[in-house]
Amino acid sequence: DGGITQSPKYLFRKEGQNVTLSCEQNLNHDAMYWYRQDPGQGLRLIYYSQIVNDFQKGDIAEGYSVSREKKESFPLTVTSAQKNPTAFYLCASRQTQLPNTEAFFGQGTRLTVV
Amino acid sequence: GQQLNQSPQSMFIQEGEDVSMNCTSSSIFNTWLWYKQDPGEGPVLLIALYKAGELTSNGRLTAQFGITRKDSFLNISASIPSDVGIYFCAGQTGGTSYGKLTFGQGTILTVHP
Repeated sequence: DGGITQSPKYLFRKEGQNVTLSCEQNLNHDAMYWYRQDPGQGLRLIYYSQIVNDFQKGDIAEGYSVSREKKESFPLTVTSAQKNPTAFYLCASRQTQLPNTEAFFGQGTRLTVV
Repeated sequence: GQQLNQSPQSMFIQEGEDVSMNCTSSSIFNTWLWYKQDPGEGPVLLIALYKAGELTSNGRLTAQFGITRKDSFLNISASIPSDVGIYFCAGQTGGTSYGKLTFGQGTILTVHP
């Protein structure tokens, strides 16, 4: 089945450690996005990528890094510089060959700093 | 950045009642999307709107793209317990190019049997 897969579903990190969240899609979508969700808030954009080997900062990029070496993969690294990393992280992808296409989301990764 | 105001923040209704929620923006969007999110899951697309004035239905759900391109509403008729969840509106800019999504804060819907 085609879809977008995030792993792991739950992740625990010690303070001061970097951690990488995986996002893979087999939908042949060019664009991929990372969002952060905190309780009672909407989704906020961390980074996005329109094409392989290119990515742009979103609204809250500080303390995060990404790479886009393959079309199917857009991993997000939460670095020790991110002061409040505990949150629900959502990856999305979107086809951009046609106008006005909608984004599809993965199941999310819940990151907890212990 | 762009801001979306979604209201109400939460709703408590009886099964069978109709529900209405809306989003307004200070900016124009090319596309309005409505998503539903269950606890611990990613949002699932309910309805996509592409033209100002467009009115679209998906079963018991109806959504409209405001004529000014700065607002949208979602109606749910004859609510059932499985409608429980968080509903998000999202505005999308660009077409084939940018496509950045801006989300509202969400409406938490509780349905009492």
